[in-house]
Amino acid sequence: DAKTTQPNSMESNEEEPVHLPCNHSTISGTDYIHWYRQLPSQGPEYVIHGLTSNVNNRMASLAIAEDRKSSTLILHRATLRDAAVYYCIRYVVGNQFYFGTGTSLTVIP
Amino acid sequence: GAGVSQTPSNKVTEKGKYVELRCDPISGHTALYWYRQSLGQGPEFLIYFQGTGAADDSGLPNDRFFAVRPEGSVSTLKIQRTERGDSAVYLCASSLNRGGSPLHFGNGTRLTVT
Repeated sequence: DAKTTQPNSMESNEEEPVHLPCNHSTISGTDYIHWYRQLPSQGPEYVIHGLTSNVNNRMASLAIAEDRKSSTLILHRATLRDAAVYYCIRYVVGNQFYFGTGTSLTVIP
Repeated sequence: GAGVSQTPSNKVTEKGKYVELRCDPISGHTALYWYRQSLGQGPEFLIYFQGTGAADDSGLPNDRFFAVRPEGSVSTLKIQRTERGDSAVYLCASSLNRGGSPLHFGNGTRLTVT
């Protein structure tokens, strides 16, 4: 089963950091962890991905647990434009990307 | 550069009609995916192409659904004898399909079957 577990919803205050958790306890050594987000009426947008090491890019940081059974997407300073549904995906190379129902992030001004 | 383009952006059709939905992937992307998304749900996998061939079509709900990618670029999702339950947003994505290469999505086609 390639599915992941995320909270249905989270809230954050504007300009504060946000930590979005994801469990992928059955992950295997060659599976990647991908994060996408989806704003209303748009297709999902790539955020970040990683394999074993923590990753940073201009949008976010990805912290991967040492045992790889969980990960956390970190938005360093939430803005109103970050309000979206965030999907954590365990990608099995050569296979499909399975999307769950994601975490709906609300940013409070 | 140009992203993934899907046409039309909206399609309204009557129950029982045939529809075609088109996807233009990013140039050079060998992998192409189709997803379907209903309100309040995450995208549901339909089919995945590697080049011209369907590498995995296990998500197609029944034989009314078919997709092609004859030249390894543009893809068309075809739905025969549409039903009201087919109403959804149909999303297309492409990727380089190297290791963990990310997906790039279009904005989807909203299909409404009346």
